[in-house]
Amino acid sequence: DADVTQTPRNRITKTGKRIMLECSQTKGHDRMYWYRQDPGLGLRLIYYSFDVKDINKGEISDGYSVSRQAQAKFSLSLESAIPNQTALYFCATSDRRQDPYNEQFFGPGTRLTVL
Amino acid sequence: KNEVEQSPQNLTAQEGEFITINCSYSVGISALHWLQQHPGGGIVSLFMLSSGKKKHGRLIATINIQEKHSSLHITASHPRDSAVYICAVTSGGGNQFYFGTGTSLTVIP
Repeated sequence: DADVTQTPRNRITKTGKRIMLECSQTKGHDRMYWYRQDPGLGLRLIYYSFDVKDINKGEISDGYSVSRQAQAKFSLSLESAIPNQTALYFCATSDRRQDPYNEQFFGPGTRLTVL
Repeated sequence: KNEVEQSPQNLTAQEGEFITINCSYSVGISALHWLQQHPGGGIVSLFMLSSGKKKHGRLIATINIQEKHSSLHITASHPRDSAVYICAVTSGGGNQFYFGTGTSLTVIP
């Protein structure tokens, strides 16, 4: 079984709809991240969480919110989806306690299309 | 200005060729990572470097801390090496991450 899972893997929705993307991990890592990937722009950080009570905005947090329900779960919400949020979304985890270099491990990605 | 720059952006090679992808960065780092993303999206870590050189099979990664530069080499390239290769750095004591935009490699049989 995969250590970092994302649901759904693909989603098509309409402008204005609320969408939640979910991420779960079995690695026991303390840190979790949400990124979006657009062609030509690389990975950009949306939100990150260093533990359950610590949520931080990344470089492109506008239009998104997150919830860290437990150490193993980190959800990303689009309150009112718009077409320019069409992208590939990745969840990642790392463990600063065990790894001083903070290597990240990625989920399989969620392809979101907003019509 | 991007903290991490990769070159080339796109690369096409014939099977068997030696391939080099370059990465330059402008921040102080604790580690540099090479990631691979196959069509279909999944991202996996190939190497994590803080100094010197690492080798896994046909892949070799080097880093020059003084010049703030890293290279990823693929020897005897194969079509299954076709993927996007992403350079990333860990900075800020492990609390900041910067990603390059990736190099898209296509190896033709």
